[in-house]
This record gives sequence, C-alpha cells and structure tokens, in this order.
Amino acid sequence: GAVVSQHPSRVICKSGTSVKIECRSLDFQATTMFWYRQFPKQSLMLMATSNEGSKATYEQGVEKDKFLINHASLTLSTLTVTSAHPEDSSFYICSARQGAIGTEAFFGQGTRLTVV
Amino acid sequence: AQKVTQAQTEISVVEKEDVTLDCVYETRDTTYYLFWYKQPPSGELVFLIRRNSFDEQNEISGRYSWNFQKSTSSFNFTITASQVVDSAVYFCALSEWAGGGNKLTFGTGTQLKVEL
Repeated sequence: GAVVSQHPSRVICKSGTSVKIECRSLDFQATTMFWYRQFPKQSLMLMATSNEGSKATYEQGVEKDKFLINHASLTLSTLTVTSAHPEDSSFYICSARQGAIGTEAFFGQGTRLTVV
Repeated sequence: AQKVTQAQTEISVVEKEDVTLDCVYETRDTTYYLFWYKQPPSGELVFLIRRNSFDEQNEISGRYSWNFQKSTSSFNFTITASQVVDSAVYFCALSEWAGGGNKLTFGTGTQLKVEL
C-alpha cells in the first residue's frame, strides 16, 4: 500500500507552547488528508478534513483556532496544536487518500503528544 | 447518519484457534464502502480490506477472510489459525458516498489477544 509518513512520533512540550505535526504522503498525491485524535483504548475521532489549497473542514466541537491545519501541497499537511495544555495530550493520527470518496485511506504512524 | 458497531471489546484466543470479529453498520446510502484496519501496539493503522456496497462476494486473503452480508448489515472478519502477531486492535469503518460528508466512520475497535 501507499506510504504516509508522520513526524514526530513522540513529542513532549511545556504547557502554553505550540507543537507542529507533519503528515506526508511519500509515494502518491493526496487529494484529501484527515486528522484524527485517539484517546487510550478508544476509537479514532475525526478532527478535521483538509483538501489541498483550501481551508480545512473541522468537526463539531473541534476548535479550529487551537488546532491549525495547513494543507499546503498534495503531499504535505500539518497540524499545529497552539497553546497546548495537558488535556491536549493524546495520540494524533493523520491519513491521506489519493482518490475519491470510498477509496482507501492510508495512515501515518501517529504522534504521541504529551503536554507537561 | 453512518454508524459502525463492534460489540466485542476484547477477545482472547489461544494460538491456532480461529476467531471472528463482528462488525455491524448503519447507513441510509445505497452506495457505501466498508473497511477493516489493524492497529498493532506501535499505533499505526494498517489497511486490510475495502469492500463496496455492490460487491457482496466474500473475500479470502491468506488466513484472513471477510463475510459481507447486506441483509444483516454486517461485515465480519475471520482470522484462521490465529498467531501471536495477530494481536492488535481491529477497526471496522464505513464511508458513505453521498451522506457521509467525505468521512470515514470507525467502530470502537476490538482488541484481539492471541496467546501461546
């Protein structure tokens, strides 16, 4: 399958600082990228959907000013957690899809964010 | 609205046993797509299979097989002769063509533990 690279895999930051997570599709152009959040032993919660060159569509309850998403190219999307707080500590996973709705999405390795 | 139910939270089996993971979905669309993903302890989601709503043929891939039944809205996953490396969380997911808003909705996952 296609490869999606997410970086960093782990990050620890101080409360109040911002953290940027990168998601790259390595061998295909991703028309759509998704950002998920996963709490321990829980399912994936979709945070936002982004298409290259346009603003991200956020799910209800997700603060767009706190979770900034940029999809600058067909192979790169970034999620910036601004003014992070301990409750933002979680596992963040991106996925990328090459084709239309219904085609499989490929996932990055995930980023474990710990805010201290 | 689309919904995926994985009633089995956790299953434990002994190596070489067969195990079936259940997945029941709800959708109003006639065109939709079903997926299974595996999430090993490392966290990355691994794509296993994609099935569209018009293809009810069951599929076998090595020790893995999938049983799609529209009449019961189920898309069950069977692992034959399970191995310790199969231990992971398995997610069933649904994407609607029209009503899902471009989203992939995940079930809550089934933790599979395969012991020696």
